[in-house]
Amino acid sequence: QVQLVESGGGVVQPGRSLRLSCAASGFTFNNFGMHWVRQAPGKGLEWVAVISYDGINKYYADSVKGRFTISRDNSRNTLYLQMNSLRAEDTAVYYCAREGWLSATTFDSWGQGTLVTVSS
Amino acid sequence: QSALTQPASVSGSPGQSITISCTGTSSDIGYYDYVSWYQQHPGKAPKLMIYTVNKRPSGVSDRFSGSKSGNTASLTISGLQAEDEADYYCSSYTSTRTVFGTGTTVIVL
Repeated sequence: QVQLVESGGGVVQPGRSLRLSCAASGFTFNNFGMHWVRQAPGKGLEWVAVISYDGINKYYADSVKGRFTISRDNSRNTLYLQMNSLRAEDTAVYYCAREGWLSATTFDSWGQGTLVTVSS
Repeated sequence: QSALTQPASVSGSPGQSITISCTGTSSDIGYYDYVSWYQQHPGKAPKLMIYTVNKRPSGVSDRFSGSKSGNTASLTISGLQAEDEADYYCSSYTSTRTVFGTGTTVIVL
């Protein structure tokens, strides 16, 4: 079955960097676009970034553009999110999500999330 | 990239039907038939309930249905059950971004 496992979260000071990983299994990773979605404590979902199946096309939310970089290693079945110049407002649970098998316009599988706390 | 607008909460008694609205603009919901709905229980990851406006993934109860009119999409839950109590989020997809709704808490009375 499809499994997505995020890691790399933790407590980090404002202005510092952090890299999140998402290990995928149970499906052919290099056939699917992948996304990062975050959720601040007690708040709603916010889409962060997407990367195409081949890693060529990448798009970002305005709130993270220029600070975050999404990437993937198809040989390792792993998705990444490099987060630089972190701010307090980046504090959230970060989920990786797979584009839908039946429709690429939706997210049909999600990881359990990893918590990033930006605080001094 | 403003969030889509949803009511903060909707409530109903067991067995009743409720509808959650999701209002966007002519650039997202009004333009694309790419509306999805997600259910999220506390402390859990979101779960896909509806995609492309009105399609249900395998395993999702047929008590859940979706529709769209103009710039507004809707999720209807019929025969409300205790386990339906959760947060629900709509989303609208474009080729370069996805925008989520503000979220609605469904309360089963």
